[in-house]
Amino acid sequence: AQSVTQLDSQVPVFEEAPVELRCNYSSSVSVYLFWYVQYPNQGLQLLLKYLSGSTLVESINGFEAEFNKSQTSFHLRKPSVHISDTAEYFCAVSVLSGGYNKLIFGAGTRLAVHP
Amino acid sequence: KAGVTQTPRYLIKTRGQQVTLSCSPISGHRSVSWYQQTPGQGLQFLFEYFSETQRNKGNFPGRFSGRQFSNSRSEMNVSTLELGDSALYLCASSPEPPLPGNEQFFGPGTRLTVL
Repeated sequence: AQSVTQLDSQVPVFEEAPVELRCNYSSSVSVYLFWYVQYPNQGLQLLLKYLSGSTLVESINGFEAEFNKSQTSFHLRKPSVHISDTAEYFCAVSVLSGGYNKLIFGAGTRLAVHP
Repeated sequence: KAGVTQTPRYLIKTRGQQVTLSCSPISGHRSVSWYQQTPGQGLQFLFEYFSETQRNKGNFPGRFSGRQFSNSRSEMNVSTLELGDSALYLCASSPEPPLPGNEQFFGPGTRLTVL
């Protein structure tokens, strides 16, 4: 069965510092990986996704994630965070189940950026 | 295109009551999924509808049900509410066919509080 593990429930960091949010997955089939972000009192927004091809994927707001098949990881990184990056981040794996594209989420990592 | 809309945004009910939540997907999307988000359990898949048919269901009791209308709008119903049903209920729509890499677009959620 597929599963997603986010290794840190909370990550505090100072503004302009680098950050890495860790995600490991387990899957016996081809994987399609996503990072979603949830700002306070809002729904989830797609940050970036890996389907195939280059193992490094980037978002428009400076985040990037690297798919590592040997380590079954899909860690999210940003070289310099802003206060506005404070949010909860969810890693997810997409699987086909019963003909349906189903997302399995990790428990989430709360990123708190301090001035 | 307008995003996924959910109504109401906030709801307060008492134990034993029932509740109906509504979701309108992005125009042209025919697949609608529902998720429950709680601090303890994280994001859990409830069910998914396509063309008025439930295609997949998560591990929730029969008190949780849903339906989809011919215009793809979906409702979910929870009967005999329990305190543990307090959660953010998220709706997501996605385009067809259900390719594993298809993004799911989330609404802002309905915050249900059971007293």
